[in-house]
Amino acid sequence: ETGVTQSPTHLIKTRGQQVTLRCSSQSGHNTVSWYQQALGQGPQFIFQYYREEENGRGNFPPRFSGLQFPNYSSELNVNALELDDSALYLCASSLRSGGAGETQYFGPGTRLLVL
Amino acid sequence: SQKIEQNSEALNIQEGKTATLTCNYTNYSPAYLQWYRQDPGRGPVFLLLIRENEKEKRKERLKVTFDTTLKQSLFHITASQPADSATYLCAPGGQAGTALIFGKGTTLSVSS
Repeated sequence: ETGVTQSPTHLIKTRGQQVTLRCSSQSGHNTVSWYQQALGQGPQFIFQYYREEENGRGNFPPRFSGLQFPNYSSELNVNALELDDSALYLCASSLRSGGAGETQYFGPGTRLLVL
Repeated sequence: SQKIEQNSEALNIQEGKTATLTCNYTNYSPAYLQWYRQDPGRGPVFLLLIRENEKEKRKERLKVTFDTTLKQSLFHITASQPADSATYLCAPGGQAGTALIFGKGTTLSVSS
């Protein structure tokens, strides 16, 4: 069973640029969620995709967008980067089975630094 | 708005003692609550899930309680070891398909 992988591991961008982060879900999972984790904080929910459709969004502006592909891998795109976007970006996959309580399996994260 | 508080940002205990971490939530009625462990620079790792109709859940040296009246979950690590040193996150969850909301976490340090 392959775990959740993310690429790249680290990234440095300048303010105003755009970035794309990638995530491969754990085998058999149909749901992917993205989180932003600033230093010393818990992960903050950005959005979730289920079967290629956005299925919930946190308090993030539209310049944060995403995609989920037929193989359930996913991308997070951030436009017009700001200094405050510097954080660890986490992808988590899960299997939606209809009942409450989906365990989320996290990838190692992408560390983004915006200068 | 929904709010999650983990009682302290840091907890220091000696090896062999029991660590007790607290998670309180307000303006929220979660159907379940999860606990995760996070090591520096790594993604969180799932530890335990407890549902609203369960009072207690155990897994090896870990025990979680869930009091929906007090709106509180306690997370215990018995016979703690230095390898248990990490940040522990609680995440109350709603129905299927809703996102987890994480607390800030409590950083546990176990000294030998």
